[in-house]
Amino acid sequence: DGGITQSPKYLFRKEGQNVTLSCEQNLNHDAMYWYRQDPGQGLRLIYYSQIVNDFQKGDIAEGYSVSREKKESFPLTVTSAQKNPTAFYLCASSMGQGAGAGELFFGEGSRLTVL
Amino acid sequence: AQSVTQPDIHITVSEGASLELRCNYSYGATPYLFWYVQSPGQGLQLLLKYFSGDTLVQGIKGFEAEFKRSQSSFNLRKPSVHWSDAAEYFCAVGATGRRALTFGSGTRLQVQP
Repeated sequence: DGGITQSPKYLFRKEGQNVTLSCEQNLNHDAMYWYRQDPGQGLRLIYYSQIVNDFQKGDIAEGYSVSREKKESFPLTVTSAQKNPTAFYLCASSMGQGAGAGELFFGEGSRLTVL
Repeated sequence: AQSVTQPDIHITVSEGASLELRCNYSYGATPYLFWYVQSPGQGLQLLLKYFSGDTLVQGIKGFEAEFKRSQSSFNLRKPSVHWSDAAEYFCAVGATGRRALTFGSGTRLQVQP
């Protein structure tokens, strides 16, 4: 079945450590996204990529980095510069490069907790 | 900038009762509108979407939503709620040329037996 796979589902990190969240899709979608979800704040856009080897900052990119070396993969690194990284992270994808109008398909999410 | 407001943070309804979740958007042109549902600790699933045409759209699980341009609203409705509908619901808006969908802050639905 086609879909989006995020791993790990749960991750614990010590302060000062970088961690990388994996996102893989086999939907052959061009565009991929990372959102952060905090209680009562909905989903906030971290980074997005409309095509391989290109990505753009979203609303809350500080302290995060991404890469898009392959169409199916869009990993997110949470760096030590992110001051409040404990959150639920959602990866999504959509068809085509008219990204802002398209239906998003979501992974199951990764919950990061900083100890 | 486009924005989405979901005025109700938390709603409780009895099983079998009708449901309406409110969504208001702010955008200059005709937006594309979506409703998603999220179970605890899970990703989001699309319930329905409006791009153009008939302003009353049908979705999965018996949900429907009506686009009202004059009120800048896209409220989600269900005539009879089931216990399995308990979840968090998100309204989202997009448009051609925009970078990504913008989401509301969500409405948590609790269903009483």
